[in-house]
Amino acid sequence: GAGVSQSPRYKVAKRGQDVALRCDPISGHVSLFWYQQALGQGPEFLTYFQNEAQLDKSGLPSDRFFAERPEGSVSTLKIQRTQQEDSAVYLCASSLARGHNSPLHFGNGTRLTVT
Amino acid sequence: RKEVEQDPGPFNVPEGATVAFNCTYSNSASQSFFWYRQDCRKEPKLLMSVYSSGNEDGRFTAQLNRASQYISLLIRDSKLSDSATYLCVVRLGGATNKLIFGTGTLLAVQP
Repeated sequence: GAGVSQSPRYKVAKRGQDVALRCDPISGHVSLFWYQQALGQGPEFLTYFQNEAQLDKSGLPSDRFFAERPEGSVSTLKIQRTQQEDSAVYLCASSLARGHNSPLHFGNGTRLTVT
Repeated sequence: RKEVEQDPGPFNVPEGATVAFNCTYSNSASQSFFWYRQDCRKEPKLLMSVYSSGNEDGRFTAQLNRASQYISLLIRDSKLSDSATYLCVVRLGGATNKLIFGTGTLLAVQP
């Protein structure tokens, strides 16, 4: 496909369950980002990969959040023991290069609801 | 204090109006600046980059004042289709490549 693809589109989890969210970036894109967007807020940075290397994970809110990109393409964001405050849209974005003006292309997100 | 601050609005304007959004950022190491647009329940999309010299794209004009750490977006001759949330975004320099988003300003253009 031409764009960033995320799955599932919607996820409902019971509190305490583990979830895994998938991101397929645009082919050849070096940089990959995960963001969390709560209702009425702007996207909040979670983590950044350059190829398979996780260069910045300063935005991950707790050790329940874990992200990987083992082969430098597809990425998975895993949330363990989900809590209600984890309910949000999780956005993945990729860009071709690391350059400061390389635009980000976002996927349409995974809307996570924790009940 | 948030790193990127915007007036959340909403801004309710009639078609044809000119509307201006402002944004301030706190990190003087910020290197690149953007405006993104986000429609309801959709992903953010790049509207335009912002350069120190100011730049224009059709009805949209963006300005950056590095000394004041201030970014603006002007929309002339508003259309109904401009209704969306406008996100002010800065990219930090150095080892991190992350973009920091503001909360967004909601614009509703009325017929």
